[in-house]
Amino acid sequence: DAGVIQSPRHEVTEMGQEVTLRCKPISGHNSLFWYRQTMMRGLELLIYFNNNVPIDDSGMPEDRFSAKMPNASFSTLKIQPSEPRDSAVYFCASSLAGGEKLFFGSGTQLSVL
Amino acid sequence: AQSVTQLGSHVSVSEGALVLLRCNYSSSVPPYLFWYVQYPNQGLQLLLKYTSAATLVKGINGFEAEFKKSETSFHLTKPSAHMSDAAEYFCAVRNSGNTPLVFGKGTRLSVIA
Repeated sequence: DAGVIQSPRHEVTEMGQEVTLRCKPISGHNSLFWYRQTMMRGLELLIYFNNNVPIDDSGMPEDRFSAKMPNASFSTLKIQPSEPRDSAVYFCASSLAGGEKLFFGSGTQLSVL
Repeated sequence: AQSVTQLGSHVSVSEGALVLLRCNYSSSVPPYLFWYVQYPNQGLQLLLKYTSAATLVKGINGFEAEFKKSETSFHLTKPSAHMSDAAEYFCAVRNSGNTPLVFGKGTRLSVIA
């Protein structure tokens, strides 16, 4: 199994630009999570899906952030417009429904200049 | 609300010395507790988990953790540190079933030769 696949690995963009982060969960996993990691705030849960349905998006910082999961094998996290304070590592993780073990992707390092 | 507090953002030990990484939890119900490890430029990996069975839990790479309800703690230990243990370690908690993990801010472990 290839594990959770995230793209791109690195993204450098200018303030105001749209950024789209992509995630392919492990086949057969029902739950998908988007986390953001920064030095100041640690690892924060942004949103999670069960069976492609968003369950809790209370961690999404503001309306500039949106996430979709059109099917069981693909999810996107979009930031529009991006701001320098969005610079962080964004992780996608998946698990079986109700599973206790999260499988993380390698993350996307986002830098907004 | 459930939460975990990791004492010490950075711990440094000599190779061969005892590793002790501290985690205290707050939960209104018996918790499920986890330790994850993050190696440089990688996503998090599950190290071990406590799910109300034995209070002493053994994980991979020689790590173990003990659940102490009276102290609301779940400290991670390893008798003898190895250079390859240098990483960031995250304690996490969840209350039940499908609720997502809540992570601590992490502790960076350095191992000195």
